[in-house]
This record gives sequence, structure tokens and C-alpha cells, in this order.
Amino acid sequence: AQSVTQPDIHITVSEGASLELRCNYSYGATPYLFWYVQSPGQGLQLLLKYFSGDTLVQGIKGFEAEFKRSQSSFNLRKPSVHWSDAAEYFCARRGDGNKLVFGAGTILRVKS
Amino acid sequence: EAQVTQNPRYLITVTGKKLTVTCSQNMNHEYMSWYRQDPGLGLRQIYYSMNVEVTDKGDVPEGYKVSRKEKRNFPLILESPSPNQTSLYFCASSPRQGGNEQFFGPGTRLTVL
Repeated sequence: AQSVTQPDIHITVSEGASLELRCNYSYGATPYLFWYVQSPGQGLQLLLKYFSGDTLVQGIKGFEAEFKRSQSSFNLRKPSVHWSDAAEYFCARRGDGNKLVFGAGTILRVKS
Repeated sequence: EAQVTQNPRYLITVTGKKLTVTCSQNMNHEYMSWYRQDPGLGLRQIYYSMNVEVTDKGDVPEGYKVSRKEKRNFPLILESPSPNQTSLYFCASSPRQGGNEQFFGPGTRLTVL
């Protein structure tokens, strides 16, 4: 079955430090992959997406992600975290019938 | 402004009292979907609709109904809510099948006592 795994439930980083959030997806044809962010009390906002082509994709708010087929991974990175990045982050892949299959989410805390 | 709207944003109800959560999008999207979000489980699809009068079950459809009489609206109906339906609900829409970005509403937090 198509699935997405986010191994880290919580991550805490210092403001200004680099960030990497991990995401692994289940085996399948070239997946359509997404990262969404959910700020407290808000809906989901798309950070970036990967369909094909260049495996390093740039998103909004200074985020990027790299698709690695050999590792079935699509990790999210940011070189310098800001306090406003504190939120919950969801990795997702397109599933059957155009649905999104989500990981369980990673809560990012930023300490000053 | 292009958006997906949901109402109500917050709802507290009692077991067995029928309720409807509305969802509307102004982007002329064919595809609409409902998800529920629970801690540690991420978002799971409840129902989806490919177009008007075309709906199908997602991963967790039990206890829910939907309808799609108009392209812009996709209400979620709980005929007899139970406490295990206490959750955060999101409506989403996208232009067509093919992996395009889904746009999410602001969410509806439902508590069933």
C-alpha cells in the first residue's frame, strides 16, 4: 500500500541553525511528492512539490527538498531557520484517485 | 481571492445529532475531497469527488456522507455523530486529476460529546 513515513515526531532547532526533516515514501511508480506546512490554528499551505525532472526542488519561504529514488526519500531542508518556521510539517504523496497520502507529521520547535 | 471556505470553523455537538459541514471553492476545480486530521495519524481521506454527481469513498468513510450537486460545493454530513468522530476536518480542491496541488480550507474543529 502507498504510504509515507516521517520518522521524527518532534524536532527542536535553534534559530539560525539548519534544518532537515525526513520523509520516506513507499515503493511505487515515480511518485508525486509534496511538503505542506500547518501553522497553529491554520490550514495547510503547500511549500513545494516534485513531479519529475530536477531532483532538487525549491519552494516558498526558503525551503528546498531533494528527491532520492534510491533511498525512497524526499527530505525537506532549510539552511537557516527562523522562529516563524515553528509549525507542523507534513510530507505527502499522491495516491489512488488523486488523493494525498500523508505522513504523520513532524512538529518543529525553534528555540531562540 | 481564490480560496476554499469551510463552515463552521468550530462545532461542539452531542452524540446522534445530525450535522453538516459546508465546503465551497471559487476556483472552478473539478476535484474536491474531505480529510480528517488526528494526532499521530496525519490526514486521512474520508470521501472525494471527481466532478458533479461523482463521489467515492476514501480511506475512512464510515459514519460520513457527502454530496456534490454543484461544482463549487461539497458538504460533509454526519448523520449520527459519535465521539470517535471528534477531529479536525479539512476540505480540499484541485483543478484535475494528475497530481496537481490541492488547496486546503482552514479546517473545522469538531467535538462530539
